[in-house]
Amino acid sequence: DQQVKQNSPSLSVQEGRISILNCDYTNSMFDYFLWYKKYPAEGPTFLISISSIKDKNEDGRFTVFLNKSAKHLSLHIVPSQPGDSAVYFCAALGYQGAQKLVFGQGTRLTINP
Amino acid sequence: GAGVSQSPSNKVTEKGKDVELRCDPISGHTALYWYRQSLGQGLEFLIYFQGNSAPDKSGLPSDRFSAERTGGSVSTLTIQRTQQEDSAVYLCASRSGNYNEQFFGPGTRLTVL
Repeated sequence: DQQVKQNSPSLSVQEGRISILNCDYTNSMFDYFLWYKKYPAEGPTFLISISSIKDKNEDGRFTVFLNKSAKHLSLHIVPSQPGDSAVYFCAALGYQGAQKLVFGQGTRLTINP
Repeated sequence: GAGVSQSPSNKVTEKGKDVELRCDPISGHTALYWYRQSLGQGLEFLIYFQGNSAPDKSGLPSDRFSAERTGGSVSTLTIQRTQQEDSAVYLCASRSGNYNEQFFGPGTRLTVL
């Protein structure tokens, strides 16, 4: 039962353009969402998060949008840079005070020069 | 300050042997988590320690897996009688009690031959 889904295993974007990574979830009790970035042979690095009481959070080139009714969130990176090439994981927290992250499968983003 | 550290970075073992993986969380973080990432998969929750509370062991895949956290700091994940399907990257994360964001270590890559 995959509660957090990233349906695109890979995405290729031209440098300077916008990268949009998508994530869907099934459990309406999730109330906090996070994006992590992972380089090979390293642990995931926290990027940006959003609480379910908001619909947008912005931090520099990174913006996360949350659509609760659609149970969908997205990460926008603009402008995309070569160093953004990595695997991006969406994760969800919540319900009954649980603090364990539920991760999606990840999307491999490649930024082409 | 120092981030989460894990040792060893790589471990190769023979099927049936026991292994111990170590995690040093960020100083002052009260919560500690173990996750694993199998090849081509997302991150899977294993176990969660919060302060002096009983750990949440709901993600441990079998009774061959156990973990302890001594003195509210360092944690050891033990896998007994390793099997080939235990091969994965084992990731540790820690969190400050006031925040939702978890910070990950670099992981231990376990290979069971």
